[in-house]
Amino acid sequence: SQKIEQNSEALNIQEGKTATLTCNYTNYSPAYLQWYRQDPGRGPVFLLLIRENEKEKRKERLKVTFDTTLKQSLFHITASQPADSATYLCALGGPNDMRFGAGTRLTVKP
Amino acid sequence: SQTIHQWPATLVQPVGSPLSLECTVEGTSNPNLYWYRQAAGRGLQLLFYSVGIGQISSEVPQNLSASRPQDRQFILSSKKLLLSDSGFYLCALRWGDEQYFGPGTRLTVT
Repeated sequence: SQKIEQNSEALNIQEGKTATLTCNYTNYSPAYLQWYRQDPGRGPVFLLLIRENEKEKRKERLKVTFDTTLKQSLFHITASQPADSATYLCALGGPNDMRFGAGTRLTVKP
Repeated sequence: SQTIHQWPATLVQPVGSPLSLECTVEGTSNPNLYWYRQAAGRGLQLLFYSVGIGQISSEVPQNLSASRPQDRQFILSSKKLLLSDSGFYLCALRWGDEQYFGPGTRLTVT
């Protein structure tokens, strides 16, 4: 069956450090992979999309890599700030639907 | 830009009672619409998606149903709620390769 695994339920880091979150998947050949941010009691908000033919994408302090051989994506937040504290979800895209991982709760401590 | 409305924002219902959650969208026509459920501390579970009026795809066997009576209206229903139906229900639309989420409905079944 298809699985999307985000390796850490929770990640705590110090302000200014780089946060690295992992998303692994099995039995899936997504056309693209996305990362979302979710704050408590709110719906997820889209951050970045990376396609299967792209290795890396950047947006401000965010960087995403996508390795279709390893079936893995890494999501990096550089120079992390307490305001980056949230749950981050990866999602795999198909023609009609999108499947989400359980998320990693990131806490950035001042 | 697209806007997604969901109501009610919160709901407390007894076991065995019916349910109707409504989602309406603005700013787009013929969108792909989705219902997700997020149980406490869990990831997003895709429940239903719709690519057009009257077209519903169900992902998980359950006592919930969905309908799309109008292009921009998506309704989630149940005839008899179970305790396990408690959760955070999110409506989403697909815009290109991105998904946009509504504010959600917090349902507690007692």
